Amino acid sequence: QVQLQESGPGLVKPSQTLSLTCTVSGGSINSSSYYWSWIRQPAGKGLEWIGRIYTSGSTNYNPSLKSRVTISVDTSKNQFSLKLSSVTAADTAVYYCSRGLGTVNFDFWGQGTLVTVSS
Amino acid sequence: DIQMTQSPSSLSASVGDRVTITCRASQSISSYLNWYQQKPGKAPKLLIYLASSLQSGVPSTFSGSGSGTDFTLTITSLQPEDFATYYCQQSFSTPLTFGGGTKVEIK
Repeated sequence: QVQLQESGPGLVKPSQTLSLTCTVSGGSINSSSYYWSWIRQPAGKGLEWIGRIYTSGSTNYNPSLKSRVTISVDTSKNQFSLKLSSVTAADTAVYYCSRGLGTVNFDFWGQGTLVTVSS
Repeated sequence: DIQMTQSPSSLSASVGDRVTITCRASQSISSYLNWYQQKPGKAPKLLIYLASSLQSGVPSTFSGSGSGTDFTLTITSLQPEDFATYYCQQSFSTPLTFGGGTKVEIK
């Protein structure tokens, strides 16, 4: 069974860049059938889709974050990554990575990682 | 963006109760609607995809229905492990969007 695991700094200073990596195990990330997403959830609030990447390199981003987001994939390491620039306190959230297939957008999820933006 | 509105935002129910949660899309999304369950401190779990298809391993006490703009998630007999927050999510178009959630609490 596929498993996803987020990793990266838990604390980022305002105006800096948040960087997270999702490592996929139990299956190859390099399948044309799947795509790989990032979703976030501020404490006590709902879920917000950040964006996704196909292993072809094609991406879709949420317009609300598009100017600050970059998602990339490293098939040799079975990983994909998120960079979110110019962060503020409003970017403090639990960040999840997830796998999608067709219209089943999020069938497997990582456990989530809390990122706090604070000086 | 397609807005997803869930109701109620919370409800109290007892073990064995039948529970229905509603999700409305701001425009037609055909059957491109997924449901997730989230427990505190955990990642969401896919329950239902394409409005009415049960994800593998999910109990048959969960069911989904609807198309167009109006959808429902039904739990036919609430179990102790079902107390959680439930989210709908549209997969019709990007940006992919979620409803605000429905918290199911113990009465």
